[in-house]
Amino acid sequence: EVQLVESGGGLVKPGGSLRLSCAASGFTFSSYSMNWVRQAPGKGLEWVSSISSSSSYIYYADSVKGRFTISRDNAKNSLYLQMNSLRAEDTAVYYCARDRYDSSGSHLFDIWGQGTMVTVSS
Amino acid sequence: DIQMTQSPSSLSASVGDRVTITCQASQDISNYLNWYQQKPGKAPKLLIYDASNLETGVPSRFSGSGSGTDFTFTISSLQPEDIATYYCQQYDNPLFTFGPGTKVDIK
Repeated sequence: EVQLVESGGGLVKPGGSLRLSCAASGFTFSSYSMNWVRQAPGKGLEWVSSISSSSSYIYYADSVKGRFTISRDNAKNSLYLQMNSLRAEDTAVYYCARDRYDSSGSHLFDIWGQGTMVTVSS
Repeated sequence: DIQMTQSPSSLSASVGDRVTITCQASQDISNYLNWYQQKPGKAPKLLIYDASNLETGVPSRFSGSGSGTDFTFTISSLQPEDIATYYCQQYDNPLFTFGPGTKVDIK
């Protein structure tokens, strides 16, 4: 079964750090770009970051640039998000999502994890 | 950056009704537009990709159309299990943007 399982969420104080993990199974992880998407309580979806299959290309939303770092370990079938200098507005459910490249040139998120909650509060 | 708008923000319809949601991009995105369904407490699910392609396993009552800046998502006959929030998403290499969402419930 194709699956993504996030972990590492929790309660952290403003200015603190947290590292999220996403374990992939059921597909060739090293062949796919991966993404982090977040959703603040009661709000919509926000794309956070993406990483290409070999880590050659990495991109961030402006809201997290300079504070978050995405990485992956293809040998461990795992995706990571290191979050530093956390703010209250980073409070959200964080999802990892597989990026399926379409032959038309488009990208779409076809597999999602169940999400992990990050709460930034004093 | 490309901005996405969706309308309406919410709607209430009866079982069997035809439901239409629109999504507009702030600039031409060709057909790089996807639609997702999110049920409460669950992860989003891909329904439509490249504006009009139905993802494998998704019921045929869901459809999408459009190109350029204006897109439409349709549920041909609303079912109770379709209660959810629907999001459009665009890809503007290399960034992604989601629309604000449309909440659909049963009248």
